[in-house]
Amino acid sequence: SQTIHQWPATLVQPVGSPLSLECTVEGTSNPNLYWYRQAAGRGLQLLFYSVGIGQISSEVPQNLSASRPQDRQFILSSKKLLLSDSGFYLCAWSVAGVGEQYFGPGTRLTVT
Amino acid sequence: KNQVEQSPQSLIILEGKNCTLQCNYTVSPFSNLRWYKQDTGRGPVSLTIMTFSENTKSNGRYTATLDADTKQSSLHITASQLSDSASYICVVSRHSGGYQKVTFGTGTKLQVIP
Repeated sequence: SQTIHQWPATLVQPVGSPLSLECTVEGTSNPNLYWYRQAAGRGLQLLFYSVGIGQISSEVPQNLSASRPQDRQFILSSKKLLLSDSGFYLCAWSVAGVGEQYFGPGTRLTVT
Repeated sequence: KNQVEQSPQSLIILEGKNCTLQCNYTVSPFSNLRWYKQDTGRGPVSLTIMTFSENTKSNGRYTATLDADTKQSSLHITASQLSDSASYICVVSRHSGGYQKVTFGTGTKLQVIP
């Protein structure tokens, strides 16, 4: 069966510090991968999606970036965090071309 | 503009009671609609998925309806339990550039009290 992992589960970082969140998927090949952010009291906002290794599409302009170095690994990064980057970050995967998305457990990021 | 609106924003009900959550969308072209349950601090988990031709789909005590003509969906929870306390998110998908683009509603926060 397929599983999706995210780490860390929680993170507190000062403004201006770098960020690296990791997401890995097991039990499937060539998945579509997604990064979402959920701000307090807000809906999920798609940040990035990837249909293959090295293929990243950005949905909203921001100071975050994403990379997919391996088929089932998706990384969310920032060189300098802003206060507004605080939120709940969710990674998700789907079978290529099919709509059902499966979410990871999320990372709670607090920028202080 | 592709939007998904949910109502109410929040809801408190007594354990054992029924409730209905609403979802209106303007997403086009429509592909499918899903309801997710998100426990606090966790990732969303899919409850139901409905395509254009489906009017009703049940998953245990959860029953989703879809009216593609009026672009409305509802999620009915029967005999609520304390564990139903969560946010319920309506998600509508559309085809775009070879993959399905999803639009998330902001969710309805349900609290079931004893």
